[in-house]
Amino acid sequence: GAGVSQSPSNKVTEKGKDVELRCDPISGHTALYWYRQSLGQGLEFLIYFQGNSAPDKSGLPSDRFSAERTGGSVSTLTIQRTQQEDSAVYLCASSLEFIAGGIVGETQYFGPGTRLLVL
Amino acid sequence: RKEVEQDPGPFNVPEGATVAFNCTYSNSASQSFFWYRQDCRKEPKLLMSVYSSGNEDGRFTAQLNRASQYISLLIRDSKLSDSATYLCVVNMWRDTGNQFYFGTGTSLTVIP
Repeated sequence: GAGVSQSPSNKVTEKGKDVELRCDPISGHTALYWYRQSLGQGLEFLIYFQGNSAPDKSGLPSDRFSAERTGGSVSTLTIQRTQQEDSAVYLCASSLEFIAGGIVGETQYFGPGTRLLVL
Repeated sequence: RKEVEQDPGPFNVPEGATVAFNCTYSNSASQSFFWYRQDCRKEPKLLMSVYSSGNEDGRFTAQLNRASQYISLLIRDSKLSDSATYLCVVNMWRDTGNQFYFGTGTSLTVIP
């Protein structure tokens, strides 16, 4: 079946502009994660969705970052008033969770990422 | 202390060599363990899950040692195409839900 998709694949923007990144998880995957990865660095956790709710927003670096998920499917990550240090690859991942009598998680599958460059 | 720690390398090995990577994790409540592979400018992709009994997939063998809180990945008969960054990933449940913790990755270059 189709994997995780993200759009746009590349985004160049000017400092101070807002950007919106989109993630389409694998159909039926209830958990969705956003990460960012700067060149040559490890993955930095941003936010986790369980269905439409976000029980863990601890990774969002500032209040300029926000994310939402509607219908338990598509998620958008919005960065307001972008700064040069926001330049990175933004990766989305989804996984299947069973929430009945105890939560069980499965493997994460990643999308190809959005490469954001803030000039 | 980081949840997951890996030797960043780089590991430069000749074709045909055997190479092993270790990874340690700090939380004994960790439940699931994985190795991911990430090629340059690509997203991480699952290489294999790691089970207590150890598991093998072709040239790749993964092992978990819960008592010592480490996982390992062994690659036999290295190929040029094995060159990549290998990420150790640990999964656990917290009050805030299911979380995955990634190591910073171990870089492998297989040399002709």
